[in-house]
Amino acid sequence: SAVISQKPSRDICQRGTSLTIQCQVDSQVTMMFWYRQQPGQSLTLIATANQGSEATYESGFVIDKFPISRPNLTFSTLTVSNMSPEDSSIYLCSVEVTRTGYTFGSGTRLTVV
Amino acid sequence: AQSVSQHNHHVILSEAASLELGCNYSYGGTVNLFWYVQYPGQHLQLLLKYFSGDPLVKGIKGFEAEFIKSKFSFNLRKPSVQWSDTAEYFCAVNRGGGGNKLTFGTGTQLKVEL
Repeated sequence: SAVISQKPSRDICQRGTSLTIQCQVDSQVTMMFWYRQQPGQSLTLIATANQGSEATYESGFVIDKFPISRPNLTFSTLTVSNMSPEDSSIYLCSVEVTRTGYTFGSGTRLTVV
Repeated sequence: AQSVSQHNHHVILSEAASLELGCNYSYGGTVNLFWYVQYPGQHLQLLLKYFSGDPLVKGIKGFEAEFIKSKFSFNLRKPSVQWSDTAEYFCAVNRGGGGNKLTFGTGTQLKVEL
């Protein structure tokens, strides 16, 4: 199965600033998924990132707030822009591995102060 | 759109008790089904998955789940829980065929007491 390296693992950021999270996969994958897990809650899909096209965002998430890049088949970034304390969450990337399921990155624990 | 319901939000059991966590999904087509576990302070781990074939699926650590298509359910079971099973359990579903997003249930927090 695929191995995902996600960084940073955690960060504390000032409100109004932006943070870019990176995910590197050890194999080529078509789709990468970005999730948010707010404290005490389940995982919510933010967007699906395909290489060579714009990301597809879920209801309640917009590109201006969560811009995503997917420059090649092994890498993606998610930026959390103009952060507020409500953005404090764990952010995870994920890829689908055929007939195996989904592999998740180790997560980025973001605290906005 | 698909959705996933987990009926039990918090479950407290004594060691050696049997466990069953409910999971129902709403999508009527072909689905792939998953149970993930998140131990305190750790990452999501795959417990088991169902793609096709035998509806009774066995996973790691003695867990199993049964896919009942007519009930749109995929309940997780373990005959005898251990203190180390204390964790949060997530049911997840995606549409069969690959390349589709995974939708998670709200999670069940399991606490096993000695």
